[in-house]
Amino acid sequence: DGGITQSPKYLFRKEGQNVTLSCEQNLNHDAMYWYRQDPGQGLRLIYYSQIVNDFQKGDIAEGYSVSREKKESFPLTVTSAQKNPTAFYLCASSADRTANEKLFFGSGTQLSVL
Amino acid sequence: QKEVEQNSGPLSVPEGAIASLNCTYSDRGSQSFFWYRQYSGKSPELIMSIYSNGDKEDGRFTAQLNKASQYVSLLIRDSQPSDSATYLCAVNPETSMNTGFQKLVFGTGTRLLVSP
Repeated sequence: DGGITQSPKYLFRKEGQNVTLSCEQNLNHDAMYWYRQDPGQGLRLIYYSQIVNDFQKGDIAEGYSVSREKKESFPLTVTSAQKNPTAFYLCASSADRTANEKLFFGSGTQLSVL
Repeated sequence: QKEVEQNSGPLSVPEGAIASLNCTYSDRGSQSFFWYRQYSGKSPELIMSIYSNGDKEDGRFTAQLNKASQYVSLLIRDSQPSDSATYLCAVNPETSMNTGFQKLVFGTGTRLLVSP
């Protein structure tokens, strides 16, 4: 079945630690996105990528980094510079860049700080 | 002013009633609009998309768009307890369309509770 796989489902970060959230899609989609969701807030865009080896900062990129070495994969690293990382992280993809193309979401990763 | 505004709710309706969810947006040049349903702890799933003024119906769901008034709504007919979830309104602002990216702006969501 085609879809977006995020792992792990739950992740705990210690003080000063970098952690990486995995996102893999087999939909052959070009565009991939990372969103953060906090309780009572809408989804906020962290990073997005249109093609391999290219990515752009979203609205809240500080403290995060990404890579896009393969079309299928778009991992997100939450660095120690991100002082409030506790949130629900969602990876998404879309078939192309057109404004009307819908987003497909992964099942999400809940990140908490120990 | 927030770019996309929704009443956080909860909106409580009895089973079988019509649930009406509303959303306003600030970017007058926005062209595409989406409603996502999100169950607690789960990822959003697309319910409806609408691009032109007027109504768009899909089963029990109807999306309504009024660009002049800058609002979009979602009607759920014959509401079921399984419809209880948070409904997210998402808008593709004009600035996003100019870049060619799907940089949706999401509202905070309206929590819907359908009681049996």
